[in-house]
Amino acid sequence: AQRVTQPEKLLSVFKGAPVELKCNYSYSGSPELFWYVQYSRQRLQLLLRHISRESIKGFTADLNKGETSFHLKKPFAQEEDSAMYYCALMGNEKLTFGTGTRLTIIP
Amino acid sequence: NAGVTQTPKFQVLKTGQSMTLQCAQDMNHEYMSWYRQDPGMGLRLIHYSVGAGITDQGEVPNGYNVSRSTTEDFPLRLLSAAPSQTSVYFCASRTITRRNGYTFGSGTRLTVV
Repeated sequence: AQRVTQPEKLLSVFKGAPVELKCNYSYSGSPELFWYVQYSRQRLQLLLRHISRESIKGFTADLNKGETSFHLKKPFAQEEDSAMYYCALMGNEKLTFGTGTRLTIIP
Repeated sequence: NAGVTQTPKFQVLKTGQSMTLQCAQDMNHEYMSWYRQDPGMGLRLIHYSVGAGITDQGEVPNGYNVSRSTTEDFPLRLLSAAPSQTSVYFCASRTITRRNGYTFGSGTRLTVV
């Protein structure tokens, strides 16, 4: 079975401070991991995929197979980063989501 | 190129009524999925399809039916609506190449009273 755990339901960070959203996964095979973002009442948008190792909107995420983690990081939070963030794992042709973390940036 | 289109955007049903949520994509994606989004529970997979004529159950399939007669369309049917099916429903699609992840529709907000 595949599982994604996001331990923080809510996270508040001051503008300009670093952000880290935690994600841990459980999967017996070789995982493909993603971060999705959902702004208020909008559709989910793909933010990052671990394969591409890219930085989008200043966010990065590194896959740590030893710790089975895929934490999302940004060095300096901006007000427009306030949103719901979901970590997701692609395995056995299914995309499994964590329960999400609501990030609020305090001005 | 409209992406993934879901209709209706909002719907109120009475307990016991049936309805179909529509999902269409114009990207020639092979894979399509239906998720429900509930507070504190994230998105849970209801049903998915890997191609026309092929469907399979996800994590929470009970009370829902799907069919995939064409590549473009993947309707979700509620057989006899229950208050527990009050949720926001998202349809998503992707190509066989996983690397691009899924493209999501804008969602259908369903309330069952």
